[in-house]
Amino acid sequence: GAVVSQHPSWVICKSGTSVKIECRSLDFQATTMFWYRQFPKQSLMLMATSNEGSKATYEQGVEKDKFLINHASLTLSTLTVTSAHPEDSSFYICSANTGTGVYSNQPQHFGDGTRLSIL
Amino acid sequence: SQELEQSPQSLIVQEGKNLTINCTSSKTLYGLYWYKQKYGEGLIFLMMLQKGGEEKSHEKITAKLDEKKQQSSLHITASQPSHAGIYLCGADNNSGTYKYIFGTGTRLKVLA
Repeated sequence: GAVVSQHPSWVICKSGTSVKIECRSLDFQATTMFWYRQFPKQSLMLMATSNEGSKATYEQGVEKDKFLINHASLTLSTLTVTSAHPEDSSFYICSANTGTGVYSNQPQHFGDGTRLSIL
Repeated sequence: SQELEQSPQSLIVQEGKNLTINCTSSKTLYGLYWYKQKYGEGLIFLMMLQKGGEEKSHEKITAKLDEKKQQSSLHITASQPSHAGIYLCGADNNSGTYKYIFGTGTRLKVLA
């Protein structure tokens, strides 16, 4: 089945540093990947849609300059949290879809998530 | 915009008991997906429903989509501690972008 690998699974770093999270589709090509953020005891909040070969589409309220997304190949999307601060601490999850056409008839497959802690 | 409401928000059951989780949409569903998440981990895909009246089962979990395609239920028979986790329903927002919206989630705890 479709496997999505996310790395790293856990990051602890100092305030002001930048952190890169990778999301890879291991056995399929994904022209579209998604980045979510999840706060404790809450559901997933979509941050942005990562489009291979073009700019990411960000959801309202998400800072483009803070959360840089690059989707340089059909199997890799990266999320870079720039100049991270404690309020950026959260659980970040990516997903990818194997569907084609206007309406997807395939589920999204999720990575295992990255827990980011900014000191 | 479309919203998904899940009920109950949390559930504690004794091992062996049956339970049902509901997911109600404010608009017609074109694809309804059930996922399970353990705390601090990714989402595990359970089932996908697309047709009105559709019902699917996997082991002790059964999911249904009503005829009007606005409500889905997830039923667990003879629950086990391994069923514990957060259950999320997700829906295709029908925009052609493959974007999902997710329900509010249901936290399930199964007491041994």
